[in-house]
Amino acid sequence: GENVEQHPSTLSVQEGDSAVIKCTYSDSASNYFPWYKQELGKGPQLIIDIRSNVGEKKDQRIAVTLNKTAKHFSLHITETQPEDSAVYFCAARRYNQGGKLIFGQGTELSVKP
Amino acid sequence: DTEVTQTPKHLVMGMTNKKSLKCEQHMGHRAMYWYKQKAKKPPELMFVYSYEKLSINESVPSRFSPECPNSSLLNLHLHALQPEDSALYLCASSQFRGGNTEAFFGQGTRLTVV
Repeated sequence: GENVEQHPSTLSVQEGDSAVIKCTYSDSASNYFPWYKQELGKGPQLIIDIRSNVGEKKDQRIAVTLNKTAKHFSLHITETQPEDSAVYFCAARRYNQGGKLIFGQGTELSVKP
Repeated sequence: DTEVTQTPKHLVMGMTNKKSLKCEQHMGHRAMYWYKQKAKKPPELMFVYSYEKLSINESVPSRFSPECPNSSLLNLHLHALQPEDSALYLCASSQFRGGNTEAFFGQGTRLTVV
């Protein structure tokens, strides 16, 4: 079955720096890749997603890139702010797997003021 | 509006109790999900409902019983739980079950079994 690996598990950056989180997936039939941000005591919040027919997507300070050949995708956050501190999860979904999302293990991002 | 509402936010129950978790969405989504999340771990899928019918059960013990009374509501009935079932229970919904539709999560119910 699908397996998603996420790195790093923890990431500490200074306010204003960029942060990059990387994920690798195993199932070449996966076609949808969302990223979730989870703050303490809250549910995961969808922040950006990318579909397999697109190589890059950007939304203000957040961007996601997808390399289908290498089966990896990355989250890029520029000009980080303390409120970006949270746990970030990548996920992958196969088109015919009944909606099941396979999550990475998460990255705890800390942005120091 | 991308809101999924879960009640209660916190629940403490004994191992002999029966309780229910509730989830509601008004986005017209036809797929709804229950996930379980332990501390510092990713969410794990439990159940998927599509058009009010159970389509996926990830081999969840029978002490967890899902119910989808209508297209906007999803319940999770709990009975005879164990302390190891203590976790954050998350509900999610998406427009459809498969494809590449976005899934939105609720804030979760923090369950403690004593």
